[in-house]
Order: sequence, then structure tokens, then C-alpha cells
Amino acid sequence: GNSVTQMEGPVTLSEEAFLTINCTYTATGYPSLFWYVQYPGEGLQLLLKATKADDKGSNKGFEATYRKETTSFHLEKGSVQVSDSAVYFCALIRLQGAQKLVFGQGTRLTINP
Amino acid sequence: DAMVIQNPRYQVTQFGKPVTLSCSQTLNHNVMYWYQQKSSQAPKLLFHYYDKDFNNEADTPDNFQSRRPNTSFCFLDIRSPGLGDAAMYLCATSPRGARSSPLHFGNGTRLTVT
Repeated sequence: GNSVTQMEGPVTLSEEAFLTINCTYTATGYPSLFWYVQYPGEGLQLLLKATKADDKGSNKGFEATYRKETTSFHLEKGSVQVSDSAVYFCALIRLQGAQKLVFGQGTRLTINP
Repeated sequence: DAMVIQNPRYQVTQFGKPVTLSCSQTLNHNVMYWYQQKSSQAPKLLFHYYDKDFNNEADTPDNFQSRRPNTSFCFLDIRSPGLGDAAMYLCATSPRGARSSPLHFGNGTRLTVT
């Protein structure tokens, strides 16, 4: 079946630190991959996406590369800010059947000044 | 701006008292979804509409129903809310068959059951 596994949180970093949130997936074929971000009290916002192997998604200083060989889509940012504090969800859209997002369990990120 | 709008942002209902949450979209997307999210856990899909075709998830309780009177609007009805139904409810949309397109989410309605 289709599944997404994220590194467990919470993750706490100091401002300007380097961020990596690991994400691996299990799926048949090559699903599209996404990172969503959820700020406190709000809905989910698309952060970035990649639709095929070796694609790199990027937005707001965040990047993730679709790695087919390791079935991974790790989220990285070179220098985090306090405003990046949020919950981050890795997700895929499955290729068979109805169009549905499969989410990872989410990683809570806190950035301290 | 085209968007997904959920009303209200916060809803309080009493145990057992029916409640309806609403979602509207200006994106003209074919597919509309309802998710339940508890305590920043991963959102859990309750059901979705593919145009007028209703698709229920196997583990969605019968207490949850949905209506989609037209392309723009979709409603979530909770017939007899229990304390365990307190959660954030998220509406999302996507175009038909666009597997590379992300879902567009509203800001959610936080439901409290007293």
C-alpha cells in the first residue's frame, strides 16, 4: 500500500540553524510528493512539491528533492527563522484509484530566537 | 483570489446537538474533501466528492454525513456530536484527475463539543 513516514518530532532548533526533516515513502510507481505546512490555528498550506524523480521543489528557502533510489523526499532549509515554527507534513498522492493525499504523521518544528 | 473558505472558524456545539460546517470554493475544482484533524496529528480523510459522486471512507462513522448541492459548496453534517468529535475539520479541493496538483485547503473549522 501507500504510506509516508516522517522523522518523529518535536524538533527544536535555534534561529539560523540548518534544518532537515526526513521523509520516506512507500508507493507503487512514482507518486507526486508534497510538503505542507500548518501554522498554529490555521489550515494546511502547500510548501513545495515534486512530481517526478530528481525533481527539486523549493519555496521560501525550503527545498526537497524527489529521490527514487531511496524513496525519500527530505525537507531542508539552510537557515531557519522563528517564523518557520509550525507543523510540517510530508504527503503523496497515490496513483491508483481515487485521488487522495496520504500524509505522514507530521513533525512539529520550534525555532528559538 | 481564488480560494477555499470555511465557515465558521470556530464552532461550539452541545453533546448530541446536530451541527453543520460549511465550505465554499472559487477554484471551480471537481473534487472536494473533508478531513478531520486532532491535535496536530495527520489529517484523516472522512469522505470526498468527485463532482456529485460521494465517496465515503470505510472507517468514517455513520454520524458524519455530507452534502454537495453544487460545485462551489460542500457541507459536513455531524448528526449527534460526541466529545470525541472535537477536532479541526478541514475542507480541501482539487481538479479532476490532476495527480500532480496539490490539494488546496481552507483554514479549517475548530469544533468544540460541550
